[in-house]
Amino acid sequence: GAGVSQSPSNKVTEKGKDVELRCDPISGHTALYWYRQSLGQGLEFLIYFQGNSAPDKSGLPSDRFSAERTGGSVSTLTIQRTQQEDSAVYLCASSLASGVYNEQFFGPGTRLTVL
Amino acid sequence: AQSVTQPDIHITVSEGASLELRCNYSYGATPYLFWYVQSPGQGLQLLLKYFSGDTLVQGIKGFEAEFKRSQSSFNLRKPSVHWSDAAEYFCAVGEGTYKYIFGTGTRLKVLA
Repeated sequence: GAGVSQSPSNKVTEKGKDVELRCDPISGHTALYWYRQSLGQGLEFLIYFQGNSAPDKSGLPSDRFSAERTGGSVSTLTIQRTQQEDSAVYLCASSLASGVYNEQFFGPGTRLTVL
Repeated sequence: AQSVTQPDIHITVSEGASLELRCNYSYGATPYLFWYVQSPGQGLQLLLKYFSGDTLVQGIKGFEAEFKRSQSSFNLRKPSVHWSDAAEYFCAVGEGTYKYIFGTGTRLKVLA
């Protein structure tokens, strides 16, 4: 079956522009995560969605970052007024249900470059 | 707060040699532990996980890991490395009910 897909695979933008990154989780997976992977860093948790519950936004680094998940499926991560330090690979993951014992399946990521 | 340390940023081994990648964690209770592999241009793939029970866990692609509570370690091993194992490896610990805390990764290079 299809895995987690993300689009675009690469995004180059100019400082100050807004960008939208898309994630399509595995069908039937209720939990969805966004991570940021910067050069030389591990994966940094950004936000977590579970079903219709309020998302855990505790990892978002600033109010320029926001995310939504429509219909419990597709998610969009939006970065407003991008800065050079936002350059990173943004990874999306989904799992069948909530709980750390449920394997997270990762998409290939979106590489964002802010010039 | 929980944390994961992978002390080796880069490791180079010859094909056919054994491999051990180190992972240390800080966690108060019995941890949920994971190893993921990321090949170039790919997402992360789960190699193995430890929740409880036998401290030696077997994973995919011939990998295994051993949980040692006394050392707060969960090292990944493979007896004979193949060139296709060249990738970046991430150790992670489960925090709370749903979060993973990842280490900074170890990049493995395999010499022919």
